[in-house]
Amino acid sequence: EVQLVQSGGGLVQPGGSLRLSCVASGFTFSDHYIDWVRQAPGKGLEWVGRSRNRANSYINEYAAAVKGRFTISRDASKNSLYLQMNSLRSEDTAVYYCARAHSLDFWGQGTLVTVSS
Amino acid sequence: SYVLTQPPSVSVAPGKTARVTCEGDKIRSKTVHWYQQKPGQAPVLVISYDSDRPSGTPERFSGSKSGDTATLTISRVEAGDEADYYCQVWHEDHRVFGTGTGVTVL
Repeated sequence: EVQLVQSGGGLVQPGGSLRLSCVASGFTFSDHYIDWVRQAPGKGLEWVGRSRNRANSYINEYAAAVKGRFTISRDASKNSLYLQMNSLRSEDTAVYYCARAHSLDFWGQGTLVTVSS
Repeated sequence: SYVLTQPPSVSVAPGKTARVTCEGDKIRSKTVHWYQQKPGQAPVLVISYDSDRPSGTPERFSGSKSGDTATLTISRVEAGDEADYYCQVWHEDHRVFGTGTGVTVL
């Protein structure tokens, strides 16, 4: 069974940092792209970025809104994907999801990040 | 930036047909995916690659494209279909989601 289990999240002050985790099981992690998607309270879905698969050198790509502040990384030995979020702003407050690409056919349960003083 | 425009809401009676549109420039040349999201839950892929149904998606759900519009059609609507629906494409190496449509079953 394909599963993506997320952890991390919570309350952080503006300018602070947080790391989210996404642990995959039930499929060959290195063969797949994995995306991060977020959803601000009461708003629609917004793409954050993605990690390409091993065949594509695990290259990362980011949305303009987070480029330079967020970093995606993988630990293949742990089947884990991470989203390191720095210089957080109030507008980063959202539920963050990881999802298996290309068609986002499986999603994590989501984790809430609240940026507030 | 690339924009996918959806109607904010669609209302439909049980047993009838709901159509959710997604307008975007040259969308006919792009691959469209559709997601269903119920309150408090993660999105679920219901249509992939324009018109494919992943396992688990009822046959009542179908996808199509014509001109600059993609359409998600839900036939014989049931109460359980009430949810938000999002279209999505790739544009210049960025994943773009539509504005979202809330489907209400009357």
